[in-house]
Amino acid sequence: GAVVSQHPSWVICKSGTSVKIECRSLDFQATTMFWYRQFPKQSLMLMATSNEGSKATYEQGVEKDKFLINHASLTLSTLTVTSAHPEDSSFYICSAERVSGANVLTFGAGSRLTVL
Amino acid sequence: KQEVTQIPAALSVPEGENLVLNCSFTDSAIYNLQWFRQDPGKGLTSLLLIQSSQREQTSGRLNASLDKSSGRSTLYIAASQPGDSATYLCAAVTSNDYKLSFGAGTTVTVRA
Repeated sequence: GAVVSQHPSWVICKSGTSVKIECRSLDFQATTMFWYRQFPKQSLMLMATSNEGSKATYEQGVEKDKFLINHASLTLSTLTVTSAHPEDSSFYICSAERVSGANVLTFGAGSRLTVL
Repeated sequence: KQEVTQIPAALSVPEGENLVLNCSFTDSAIYNLQWFRQDPGKGLTSLLLIQSSQREQTSGRLNASLDKSSGRSTLYIAASQPGDSATYLCAAVTSNDYKLSFGAGTTVTVRA
């Protein structure tokens, strides 16, 4: 079955540093990947849509300069949280859509970011 | 903008009891609706996907129904087990922009 791998699964960093999270589709190609964040007891909120070879589309209220998204290949998208602050601490989840469509998404296991 | 609501936020039942989880959405123009399971600190596992043209989907002890006219979907879990304890999320994909909107989830605890 389709598998999406996220790395790291857990990261702690100091305030002001940058953190990169990778999202890889292991056994299929994904033209589109999505990044979500989830605060405790809240629903997942879409941050941005990442299309291979083009700029990401950010949702309203999401700072594109703070959350840098790169989708360099059909199997890899990265989210970089720049100059992280404690309020950026959250659970970040990516999902990937198969090239063939059917609008079925496969989700990664998530990355928990804690900014001290 | 699509808004997805799940009630109740939490549910605790004894083992063996059937579970009924509710999901409502404001925009009936949906492409599909999905139910997911999320274990603490983990990602999402897709449980059931109901296309817009379907009224229900079944997988093992799980059954999900969809009523677009009333903006509701219900997930039934028969004969609950402690291993069913998790947070269940529903998400609707709207037809005009194909964006996925999640509910806040229902956290289920099945007591042994």
